[in-house]
This record gives sequence, C-alpha cells and structure tokens, in this order.
Amino acid sequence: GAGVSQSPSNKVTEKGKDVELRCDPISGHTALYWYRQSLGQGLEFLIYFQGNSAPDKSGLPSDRFSAERTGGSVSTLTIQRTQQEDSAVYLCASSLGLAGDRGANVLTFGAGSRLTVL
Amino acid sequence: AQKVTQAQTEISVVEKEDVTLDCVYETRDTTYYLFWYKQPPSGELVFLIRRNSFDEQNEISGRYSWNFQKSTSSFNFTITASQVVDSAVYFCALSMNSGYSTLTFGKGTMLLVSP
Repeated sequence: GAGVSQSPSNKVTEKGKDVELRCDPISGHTALYWYRQSLGQGLEFLIYFQGNSAPDKSGLPSDRFSAERTGGSVSTLTIQRTQQEDSAVYLCASSLGLAGDRGANVLTFGAGSRLTVL
Repeated sequence: AQKVTQAQTEISVVEKEDVTLDCVYETRDTTYYLFWYKQPPSGELVFLIRRNSFDEQNEISGRYSWNFQKSTSSFNFTITASQVVDSAVYFCALSMNSGYSTLTFGKGTMLLVSP
C-alpha cells in the first residue's frame, strides 16, 4: 500500500481480555517495527522483524506480549490478559531495511492503534 | 547502550519567532545515524531528516535547519519564522545501522506556536 496501515485505530477493552493489533506495512519494505507510546513517555521499542531472520524481541515488556509476521508482510501484535498499564498508542513502522540503500533505515510510521484498558 | 536526550519538554513561541529544539545523544559507536521526526496533533509521525555520523555538514530545508556537532554530541533543529502549523511534538532519534536497525527515541519536545 501507499503507507503503513494499522487497525483498529481505537480499541477499548476490559482488564484481563486479549487484544490483537494489526499492521500492514508498505509494500516492499522488509523491516517491520512495533513501538509503544505512552503519555509523556516517548516511544518505546517493542519488537522488530528483519526479513526472514528471527525477530528482535528484546523490547517486549512481558511474556503477555507477542507478535508475528506472516508471509513477510502483515504483522499482528497480541497482548494477552491486558492490564491498565498496557493503555497506550501502539505504533507500527516499516522500512526498506537493506543496508547500503539510501534511506533504508528511515522508518515510515502508521497512524497507530490507541488501546484503552478499563 | 545508546541514549537520546531532549531536555526541553515544551516550548511556546509566538508566530514568526525562531526556535531551536535541542537533542543530545550518547553512543559508543563511531558509525550511527540521527533522525528528526515530527508528530502533529493528528498523531502520525513524519520523517524530517536523517544524518550519518560522517557527515557534519549543516543542512537547511526551507525554514528548517539542522546543526550536527560531534564534539558536543548534539543534533539541534531550528525552525526559522515559526508558523502555527509547526505546532507538534518533535522527536530526535538515533540508529546504529544503515539497514535493519531499531531507532532509540528521545522523549520529544512539544512545540506550541501561537498566532
């Protein structure tokens, strides 16, 4: 697509429920990233996928968080047993990811999925 | 480990004033990349500029200019003759690689430009 598409744009859930957030990156972008933006906290790295290699999960805050990327394209971030502190905007980004290409590490962000846990 | 510090949490200016947003970074690597992103009230982050550590030339793009100084580990962003549309949160970020690489972001500076 022309840009990074995320859905849903807004999600309100009850504490303890599971949620899935979807990201459709720019066509041809091999790298896909998830970040979390909490009020006044800046952007916190969660996970990234680099082509066919194993993802870098070093930013996931707990084992309730997981993500997958199917077919090298669409990614789903899953949060199990949501807690109130999970409330935030979840941002997905993609990049060309090919070292040496000008602009390869420039991330293009989606509009985000705002999660509210009651 | 890398770190980006944006000490200014919020800046308020009146239209047509010049404003500088500060960014200080920490890294042990000799090769790295610095970025600025803009997040308007609509929420979507917009890429503004990328610089690599070997290129210390200042850059100007219209009313925007960037001053990169390795000696002080700073990558400051100046908006000349600010406009109301410049109101946004501005993020400075650091990356280690030219390809696959995460960005480490500062906490952002909220710029409010009033008419």
